[in-house]
Amino acid sequence: RKEVEQDPGPFNVPEGATVAFNCTYSNSASQSFFWYRQDCRKEPKLLMSVYSSGNEDGRFTAQLNRASQYISLLIRDSKLSDSATYLCVVNGGTGRRALTFGSGTRLQVQP
Amino acid sequence: GAGVSQSPRYKVAKRGQDVALRCDPISGHVSLFWYQQALGQGPEFLTYFQNEAQLDKSGLPSDRFFAERPEGSVSTLKIQRTQQEDSAVYLCASSLAEWPQHFGDGTRLSIL
Repeated sequence: RKEVEQDPGPFNVPEGATVAFNCTYSNSASQSFFWYRQDCRKEPKLLMSVYSSGNEDGRFTAQLNRASQYISLLIRDSKLSDSATYLCVVNGGTGRRALTFGSGTRLQVQP
Repeated sequence: GAGVSQSPRYKVAKRGQDVALRCDPISGHVSLFWYQQALGQGPEFLTYFQNEAQLDKSGLPSDRFFAERPEGSVSTLKIQRTQQEDSAVYLCASSLAEWPQHFGDGTRLSIL
């Protein structure tokens, strides 16, 4: 079983749609959680950190449920430019700097 | 501003050859990470430096993989006696504090 599990997709949605991605992680010692975005043949870029209280950045909302070891990302009013792969990322636990990535969920926003 | 810079951008080598991949982190970033990304997968951790000290090398897949950062800035990832399964994108990331990690464009390594 992988440490971070994501639905690989692809998710094909029309412009303006709301789409949600889910992720589960297995290491209960993980302390930090992130969503990264990766465009085709480009490097991963930090989209947002994820906090237990939930956090929002414009059209993007991230949620963390530590008890269920579950992370989500909600994208509202999807834009064509949102088309990318979204990577769920956790750190390896207390004192570990290494990041553990899911395999990514691919989003394709259609005009 | 200057981000993380990696070179070469593409590298093709024959099986059995040695390769060296270079990473220039963001100036002043003390932490440097190497990751390996296979096609269709997320990046996988290889090794971590804090300044010149290699604090975690638990992700290196074999003793053919070696990384160094002798002066606490530029880092080199070396792969000896390359094999086809080493074909991947090698990503370098740096950070000032613990987070966030900023990634370079990567080196695409193809072993023939």
